[in-house]
Amino acid sequence: NAGVMQNPRHLVRRRGQEARLRCSPMKGHSHVYWYRQLPEEGLKFMVYLQKENIIDESGMPKERFSAEFPKEGPSILRIQQVVRGDSAAYFCASSPPGGTMNTEAFFGQGTRLTVV
Amino acid sequence: AQSVAQPEDQVKVAEGNPLTVKCTYSVSGNPYLFWYVQYPNRGLQFLLKYITGDNLVKGSYGFEAEFNKSQTSFHLKKPSALVSDSALYFCAVRDRNGNTGKLIFGQGTTLQVKP
Repeated sequence: NAGVMQNPRHLVRRRGQEARLRCSPMKGHSHVYWYRQLPEEGLKFMVYLQKENIIDESGMPKERFSAEFPKEGPSILRIQQVVRGDSAAYFCASSPPGGTMNTEAFFGQGTRLTVV
Repeated sequence: AQSVAQPEDQVKVAEGNPLTVKCTYSVSGNPYLFWYVQYPNRGLQFLLKYITGDNLVKGSYGFEAEFNKSQTSFHLKKPSALVSDSALYFCAVRDRNGNTGKLIFGQGTTLQVKP
């Protein structure tokens, strides 16, 4: 059973370009979370999605950031017109349906975004 | 507001000695509590969790944590540290009364175990 898969592992974008980060949850998991880790900081919640639904986006910046989890395919975190401050590690986590609250989330290895 | 504090940025211990990584939290009601470990350039690996019941929770790699409700703490412990335990450790909480499963993380504590 493969774990949470994120790609790319490393992504370099110039200021103003778009960044697309992909996350395939563990098999059987229908809940996906995105977190951002800035240098020397802990992880900050961004968004929680279930298939075709955004459940909680309270941690998402109001502009330039969007996320989706389509019926088929991976979850996508999209950052438009990237700026240097977007440079961070972005982690995806998944958990199974029905047991979200007391179930540990399983994390991918992250995508390290560098904006130059 | 919900928050998690890890008061020590770094903890240094000698191999074979006991270790403690501290965590305190501020969440309304009774939270679910978690510890994760992060090795360089890797994702987070789950260590252990407190849901209910016995306040002493045992987890992976010989780690354990003690839930103390009165002190709102969930310190991570290991009786005998290994050099391979050197990593970044995160405490996290989840609001039991929340309607999402989002985790609130502390800022992390770097554990350095010296041979």
